[in-house]
Amino acid sequence: KAGVTQTPRYLIKTRGQQVTLSCSPISGHRSVSWYQQTPGQGLQFLFEYFSETQRNKGNFPGRFSGRQFSNSRSEMNVSTLELGDSALYLCASSVGHRNSPLHFGNGTRLTVT
Amino acid sequence: DQQVKQNSPSLSVQEGRISILNCDYTNSMFDYFLWYKKYPAEGPTFLISISSIKDKNEDGRFTVFLNKSAKHLSLHIVPSQPGDSAVYFCAASGNTGANNLFFGTGTRLTVIP
Repeated sequence: KAGVTQTPRYLIKTRGQQVTLSCSPISGHRSVSWYQQTPGQGLQFLFEYFSETQRNKGNFPGRFSGRQFSNSRSEMNVSTLELGDSALYLCASSVGHRNSPLHFGNGTRLTVT
Repeated sequence: DQQVKQNSPSLSVQEGRISILNCDYTNSMFDYFLWYKKYPAEGPTFLISISSIKDKNEDGRFTVFLNKSAKHLSLHIVPSQPGDSAVYFCAASGNTGANNLFFGTGTRLTVIP
């Protein structure tokens, strides 16, 4: 079956702008998580959505937000972009049970200039 | 504060030999551990996991060892193959009931033919 799809693959934005990233999970998966990957920091958890509800949230400022639709597709929004937001943003889906493996998309590379 | 640490940024191993990747964690509440592999321009893919009630889990050429008293786990790949060359991430989760993984910063494995 099709894997996790993230769009777009690449984005270039300027400081102060906002951006929306999209994620389509594997069919049947109800949980979608978002991670930020930066050099030297590994992957850092942003938030998880399950059945359209945010189930858990990482330690990121309120400029980072997300939502999930009834078809489990998810979007992540970053407002008032800063240079430090430049990163690879990864979306992962799972069936939603605790410790069920995460299946990652190929990510969206965001560059803020 | 990095709760999961991979202190070796890189490792080179000859084809056919054993690769040992190490990971340390600080949070004693972690009870489930995973390894992910990541190729360039792709998202991480799940490799193998271990619950804290076990000290070893094996899947083909891959074995994960867990030493809870030392808060240390390792991934052994035997025999190593050139296709194993990738970045390996260690991850851990706690008993919060949420699907939130804490990742290390990764170790780049190069298997030399």
